[in-house]
Amino acid sequence: EVQLVESGGGLVQPGGSLKLSCAASGFTFRGSTMHWVRQAPGKGLEWVGRIRSKVNGYATTYDASVKGRFTVSRDDSKNTAYLHMISLKTEDTAVYYCSRSRDGYNDWYFDLWGRGTLVTVSS
Amino acid sequence: QSVLTQPPSVSAAPGQKVTISCSGSTSNIGNNYVSWYQQLPGTAPKLLIYDNNNRHSGIPDRFSGSKSGTSATLGITGLQTGDEADYYCGTSDSSLNIMVFGGGTKLTVL
Repeated sequence: EVQLVESGGGLVQPGGSLKLSCAASGFTFRGSTMHWVRQAPGKGLEWVGRIRSKVNGYATTYDASVKGRFTVSRDDSKNTAYLHMISLKTEDTAVYYCSRSRDGYNDWYFDLWGRGTLVTVSS
Repeated sequence: QSVLTQPPSVSAAPGQKVTISCSGSTSNIGNNYVSWYQQLPGTAPKLLIYDNNNRHSGIPDRFSGSKSGTSATLGITGLQTGDEADYYCGTSDSSLNIMVFGGGTKLTVL
């Protein structure tokens, strides 16, 4: 089955850190760009960052709101993408979704999404 | 405040047609492809339309997309109660090399 499964969410104190995982199955993971998108409670979608495939140099890009605090990485041997978050703020509280885009002329649309994992930043 | 502007809500009766607009600028919609996503209550988003007007696999032809200049539109015909959801437009921003989304539109099928 083609799917993405996130894990690693939970409750963390402000200033703390957390690492999310996204396990992929059923498709050629190494040929995909992997993104993280978050959704604060009752709010809209917010793109967080992405990591491109090996062919594209594993290039990463981030939204300004998380740059310097969040790091997207991947392990193609494990078919897994990661989101490492440090210096967490209360405004980082959200459901974090992992999503996929295909390498190609346009890798800015997401054709596969995980179910998400909730991160709560609170004291 | 989202980079792309969508109406907060739209509504129509079953069987009718509705359109959802998405307005941006030359750095995003004006020079890049637009995608549309449906998020049913309590679930993850799902891709409906990519590259402005291409339906994703398995999406019925009741859903359509178009783009003109710095705006895009999602159309849904033959509305069903199962279409009640939040709809988001998205595109890349050429100058920032990031993805941007609209604030979302809640569709109510009366």
